[in-house]
Amino acid sequence: GENVEQHPSTLSVQEGDSAVIKCTYSDSASNYFPWYKQELGKRPQLIIDIRSNVGEKKDQRIAVTLNKTAKHFSLHITETQPEDSAVYFCAAGTGRRALTFGSGTRLQVQP
Amino acid sequence: DGGITQSPKYLFRKEGQNVTLSCEQNLNHDAMYWYRQDPGQGLRLIYYSHIVNDFQKGDIAEGYSVSREKKESFPLTVTSAQKNPTAFYLCASSISRQKNTEAFFGQGTRLTVV
Repeated sequence: GENVEQHPSTLSVQEGDSAVIKCTYSDSASNYFPWYKQELGKRPQLIIDIRSNVGEKKDQRIAVTLNKTAKHFSLHITETQPEDSAVYFCAAGTGRRALTFGSGTRLQVQP
Repeated sequence: DGGITQSPKYLFRKEGQNVTLSCEQNLNHDAMYWYRQDPGQGLRLIYYSHIVNDFQKGDIAEGYSVSREKKESFPLTVTSAQKNPTAFYLCASSISRQKNTEAFFGQGTRLTVV
């Protein structure tokens, strides 16, 4: 099956700095890579996703990059704000199986 | 805040008892999933169903059972065989498995064994 590893487990940045979270996956058949944000006590919500036919995708302050050869993908958050503080999960999947999630990164943005 | 609803939000179980967690969706999604979330371990897949009357074991299915008699409903039973059931349980749904799309999550059920 798929194995997704996520680093770092915790990340603290100053407001306005950038944050980068990295994930690797094992199954070369994976073709869908979403990122979820989970605020304390709430449900995970999709913030951005990328498919294997695309190398990079941006949405305002958030961007995701995918390197299929190396089997890794990253989340980039620029100009961080205190409301970006949350746990972020990466995931990988195909049409044949459910998403496999990483272990999560707790991001703290210090004002 | 509709779409996918889990109940109850908090559940307490005595050791040796079976409990059933409810998950209902009105999104007309074919696929539904159950994940377990423990601190520092991310989301682990318990069971999933891609169509009515069919479901598959995930990575940690032991001690759990599910049914999918209706498209809208995917209840999870935590049996007495589950040795460490205290956790946060998340149900999710997506349009279909043929095309990867966003998984929508419920608000979760926090189960505590007392």
